Amino acid sequence: GESVGLHLPTLSVQEGDNSIINCAYSNSASDYFIWYKQESGKGPQFIIDIRSNMDKRQGQRVTVLLNKTVKHLSLQIAATQPGDSAVYFCAENKLGGGGNKLTFGTGTQLKVEL
Amino acid sequence: GAVVSQHPSRVICKSGTSVKIECRSLDFQATTMFWYRQFPKQSLMLMATSNEGSKATYEQGVEKDKFLINHASLTLSTLTVASAHPEDSSFYICSARDRRGGFNEQFFGPGTRLTVL
Repeated sequence: GESVGLHLPTLSVQEGDNSIINCAYSNSASDYFIWYKQESGKGPQFIIDIRSNMDKRQGQRVTVLLNKTVKHLSLQIAATQPGDSAVYFCAENKLGGGGNKLTFGTGTQLKVEL
Repeated sequence: GAVVSQHPSRVICKSGTSVKIECRSLDFQATTMFWYRQFPKQSLMLMATSNEGSKATYEQGVEKDKFLINHASLTLSTLTVASAHPEDSSFYICSARDRRGGFNEQFFGPGTRLTVL
């Protein structure tokens, strides 16, 4: 059933500043990672992905960094805008017979202050 | 392209009734669809993997007799919550994998909010 009292980690930034959202993943065998943005009451929206043979990938206003040594992933958003306010999830792709299953991180609430 | 729809977007039902949620890939064919459940302020938890023409694969702890999945065509998967109870109230989200794409081609639906009274 629903859990009471859980709170997502929250990151508050000023409009125009850069945001850095962090994620620790669990499976050293994961070979593909994705960042998703989820607005309230909606499904996840793809932002950017990275494969394990890379350590950095850039998109429009976003950069993903991957540190496999410490199993850490980060999402950097440049010049954060009010429309960036949402919950951000990292997801890792698990290898194995099930194939292409995604495991989601706990999420971070990004709040952009005007 | 790559649009996934869900119907209904919101459903309220009485305890003990069954609820069916549809997930459709609108402009691509999906051999595999995934069903997730998300409680407030929590992450998405994979419930099951639905493969067209075969039985779904359920994650540990998910009751297959309660959450019935049917993937009858390459564009439609349904999740039926049998005899729903208040603890089943949640946000149910599906995703679909484009059969033409690599393993990164997984697209999410908008979700269905289920409230069981």
